[in-house]
Amino acid sequence: DIQMTQSPSSLSASVGDRVTITCRASQSISSYLNWYQQKPGKAPKLLIYAASSLQSGVPSRFSGSGSGTDFTLTISSLQPEDFATYYCQQSYSTPPDTFGPGTKVDIK
Amino acid sequence: QITLKESGPTLVKPTQTLTLTCTFSGFSLSTSGVGVGWIRQPPGKALEWLALIYWDDDKRYSPSLKSRLTITKDTSKNQVVLTMTNMDPVDTATYYCAHRVASYGYSFDYWGQGTLVTVSS
Repeated sequence: DIQMTQSPSSLSASVGDRVTITCRASQSISSYLNWYQQKPGKAPKLLIYAASSLQSGVPSRFSGSGSGTDFTLTISSLQPEDFATYYCQQSYSTPPDTFGPGTKVDIK
Repeated sequence: QITLKESGPTLVKPTQTLTLTCTFSGFSLSTSGVGVGWIRQPPGKALEWLALIYWDDDKRYSPSLKSRLTITKDTSKNQVVLTMTNMDPVDTATYYCAHRVASYGYSFDYWGQGTLVTVSS
């Protein structure tokens, strides 16, 4: 199985901050990397697919980059509604898709 | 508008078989490239991919759970059913079904609200 790691596991930030989350795959997954946002008690929401494509309806402050094994999710200016947990997911090698362990973003 | 909704028991006993149904609307599981997957999340923990079925009845399972899982579809009813045998307390989790399509990088672009399943005697 392809293993996914995320860093940091958690971070504290202020409204307006630029936030970067990193996801690394144990082997190359080309650009088959997706990012999700999950708020407590809610289902995950797709933010970015295929490493850098913004899902319809997602604010442009979210962006993704990377290919191969290293990927980043960037929030250019953190908003109050962005405090959540973020997961990466590889869809290159199924089964299984693998999710990262998550990065919790909370208020500083 | 795509929607999905999970249904099934909220409580099962150890060793029992869990049957969950995903009822969806807004798409057809007979359309080329479309799939429905199941993902679970134990309380306070990360997401875990379980199984996936495609429009052509191609089925994929998590290797670690393959012996316990069965996924089927009923295209006429717009439903996907997941069964998991020999349930254990560690299988306590919220179970989600989600829509998947190749054109979106095989991501899960629409999710159900999830259903919490507790395994306890």
